[in-house]
Amino acid sequence: DGGITQSPKYLFRKEGQNVTLSCEQNLNHDAMYWYRQDPGQGLRLIYYSQIVNDFQKGDIAEGYSVSREKKESFPLTVTSAQKNPTAFYLCASSIRRDTEAFFGQGTRLTVV
Amino acid sequence: GESVGLHLPTLSVQEGDNSIINCAYSNSASDYFIWYKQESGKGPQFIIDIRSNMDKRQGQRVTVLLNKTVKHLSLQIAATQPGDSAVYFCAEQVAWGKLQFGAGTQVVVTP
Repeated sequence: DGGITQSPKYLFRKEGQNVTLSCEQNLNHDAMYWYRQDPGQGLRLIYYSQIVNDFQKGDIAEGYSVSREKKESFPLTVTSAQKNPTAFYLCASSIRRDTEAFFGQGTRLTVV
Repeated sequence: GESVGLHLPTLSVQEGDNSIINCAYSNSASDYFIWYKQESGKGPQFIIDIRSNMDKRQGQRVTVLLNKTVKHLSLQIAATQPGDSAVYFCAEQVAWGKLQFGAGTQVVVTP
């Protein structure tokens, strides 16, 4: 089955720790994205990548980092510099410009 | 400080009626728009899209209207069903690879 897989579904992190969220797609899409969603709010763009080995900051990149070493993978690291990391994180991909982005099922990160 | 959850605008619709969800977008240069449906705890699902050279597009039970003059997008759902209950988001492509989402509208379908 083609699609986007995010793991884990739930993640707990202690304050001061870095944590990495996984996102893998087998759709052969060039572009990949990370969004953050807080309760009752829309999606805010963290980082996006149009092609392998290239990525750009979105609207709320501070405290996050990404890599795009392979076309199918776009992991997101939530660093200790992110002051309010508890949120629902969504990864997406699209094949090209002017086409819809397909979303994974999300990772819910909680800081304990 | 900690993010505070906001109450989403809510549209309450009786089963079988038509729904209209509205969205104002921000960038007059945006050339591609998408409507998504999100159920609780899940990722958004694509419903329908429209390019800026069109003002109307129809799918199965859904129609999207685009008014570029006033930067307004709407989604019409015909014969709303209980399974249509969800949060609906509009998104605009402000640049290649950059989709910007609206705040969302909660649709509640009542019997």
